[in-house]
Amino acid sequence: SAVISQKPSRDICQRGTSLTIQCQVDSQVTMMFWYRQQPGQSLTLIATANQGSEATYESGFVIDKFPISRPNLTFSTLTVSNMSPEDSSIYLCSATYPGGSGNTIYFGEGSWLTVV
Amino acid sequence: KNEVEQSPQNLTAQEGEFITINCSYSVGISALHWLQQHPGGGIVSLFMLSSGKKKHGRLIATINIQEKHSSLHITASHPRDSAVYICAVDKTSGSRLTFGEGTQLTVNP
Repeated sequence: SAVISQKPSRDICQRGTSLTIQCQVDSQVTMMFWYRQQPGQSLTLIATANQGSEATYESGFVIDKFPISRPNLTFSTLTVSNMSPEDSSIYLCSATYPGGSGNTIYFGEGSWLTVV
Repeated sequence: KNEVEQSPQNLTAQEGEFITINCSYSVGISALHWLQQHPGGGIVSLFMLSSGKKKHGRLIATINIQEKHSSLHITASHPRDSAVYICAVDKTSGSRLTFGEGTQLTVNP
């Protein structure tokens, strides 16, 4: 199994600033993902974090707004840039670990961002 | 129309009741996941299904690939089962998930 640590767990940010969220996995996983969960809504995939190369972004998300790094197999960061109140969300890191019947998926505890 | 639809959106039960949450999807999938999210925000994977049925403790998950439908059952429900239950599908075998809206379950003592 895998344990995923995210930090910060919670933060209040000023409009126009940027914040970087860190995600550390305790074992070498195959894939890492970043999701957003806006208040009262379900999760939406932001991007797949690729080791040593640019992340793969989903429709509606761009690198300038959500730069992502993954320097190695166990660590990734997501930056939320030039924040506005609409960016107030839970941001979750996720990773997959190959299992006998397919990929098992794990989630971090989430980072609750409030933009004021 | 969402690719993944869950019902009901909200469910209140008394302790001990048998609970069913349903998930229908409209796309081809390689796997379906049932997830549990507690108020603190953390998400736990309960099941990953590509066919048939799985059981873990009081939880049972089934999937019918032909009908594009899955159910999550909780037997002998308990207040600690209170959480949001989320159905998510993997369309590409790449673990990029598409999520349902979730079902808020409240189990009263």
